[in-house]
Order: sequence, then C-alpha cells, then structure tokens
Amino acid sequence: DAGITQSPRHKVTETGTPVTLRCHQTENHRYMYWYRQDPGHGLRLIHYSYGVKDTDKGEVSDGYSVSRSKTEDFLLTLESATSSQTSVYFCAISGSPGLPVSEQFFGPGTRLTVL
Amino acid sequence: QKEVEQDPGPLSVPEGAIVSLNCTYSNSAFQYFMWYRQYSRKGPELLMYTYSSGNKEDGRFTAQVDKSSKYISLFIRDSQPSDSATYLCAMTLNTDKLIFGTGTRLQVFP
Repeated sequence: DAGITQSPRHKVTETGTPVTLRCHQTENHRYMYWYRQDPGHGLRLIHYSYGVKDTDKGEVSDGYSVSRSKTEDFLLTLESATSSQTSVYFCAISGSPGLPVSEQFFGPGTRLTVL
Repeated sequence: QKEVEQDPGPLSVPEGAIVSLNCTYSNSAFQYFMWYRQYSRKGPELLMYTYSSGNKEDGRFTAQVDKSSKYISLFIRDSQPSDSATYLCAMTLNTDKLIFGTGTRLQVFP
C-alpha cells in the first residue's frame, strides 16, 4: 500500500460522538486525500491537502474537518458522527517527484460504523 | 447525470476469456485517465495510467482512450481467477482531483 497506513482499521461508534481517523505516510508525498466509498457512489473526495496546513474541500465535505500539521500525517475528524457517515474511508497520497500529481496511491481503508 | 458512468456488473467470465471494461464521461476537458483494481476489503491499486487518447499496453492489460467518443476501455487478455476484483476508472483535468466511476465487479471462474 505504497507506505500508507490508516488507523484505526475498524471502528464502531455511536451517533453524536466525535471520531478521528488518521492517515500516515512514509513516502514524503506532498498531496494527501480523504475519500469515502459507498455502494452505488464509488469513491468521493471529502478533503485534500496540498501541503502542511494547506487543505481544501472536496465533493462531500459537510460534517468533516481535516488537519495536517506534518507532511506525513493527515487527520480526518467527524465532529459529531451520524449514521449517514457509516462508510469505508480511504486515504490516498500523490505528488512524488517524477510522477504526475494525479497518480494517486491508496491506503488500506478504515471501516466506520455509526450506530 | 454523473460525470463518469460505469456499468456496476457483476461481469462473470470463464478463465482465459478476454474481458472488456468501459467507462463513459461527459467532460471533454479530461486529460488523464486511470484504471484501478480493488480486491475485496482492500484499497484501490493503480493498474494503468494514460494521458490523452490512444492505447497503452502492460502485460495482459490494455487501456484505450477515445476522447472523440468520451469513452475509455480496459481490456484483460487471458483472464485469470486472480483478476476477480472491482475495477474503477478515474479521470482528471490537469489537477490532483480525480473523478471516479462507481466500479465494475469482475468475476473470473475456473
């Protein structure tokens, strides 16, 4: 998985609780992304980062926030989890020197269930 | 209408068959086209990456882009049971934001 780890790998939580997912890379890629994957929707971009402290919204950012204080870590926070946020979350990275920015590599995923 | 359309399948073929997977798209400005393979409960892995129109071959896999028809294809020759997975197409302008198809589930039976 191209030097990308995600934690936790599985989480069950209750509606209204805060949840933080972590993505860690050892590849020194500049760009990092958070996606969610749901049946019938494919992969949808939540937020992405193009450098330390530089982030931007994706297609489905409502209810999510992100932070990137170090090159290697990108955190996704659900401030108050809802059942509609039950999904599989993938982190991706890109921007290795010599490779196109659009060539993204994915982590193993975090399966989140909100009861 | 979604920007990228992909038949969800499942597509079931016998071992050794030639498989054709396809995506259509609506934004004629897309320049970069990718195919990802995703095994069950795993992250997507990049399979093929092409720029603009034309063909690209890598072993048993061939990616084809027809920008005039806004249509991309992935061909798998001599398909194997290990090719059973979901195949996602993705595309982008000249940016870091990818637009994904919903994926086609492929089953190759012995």
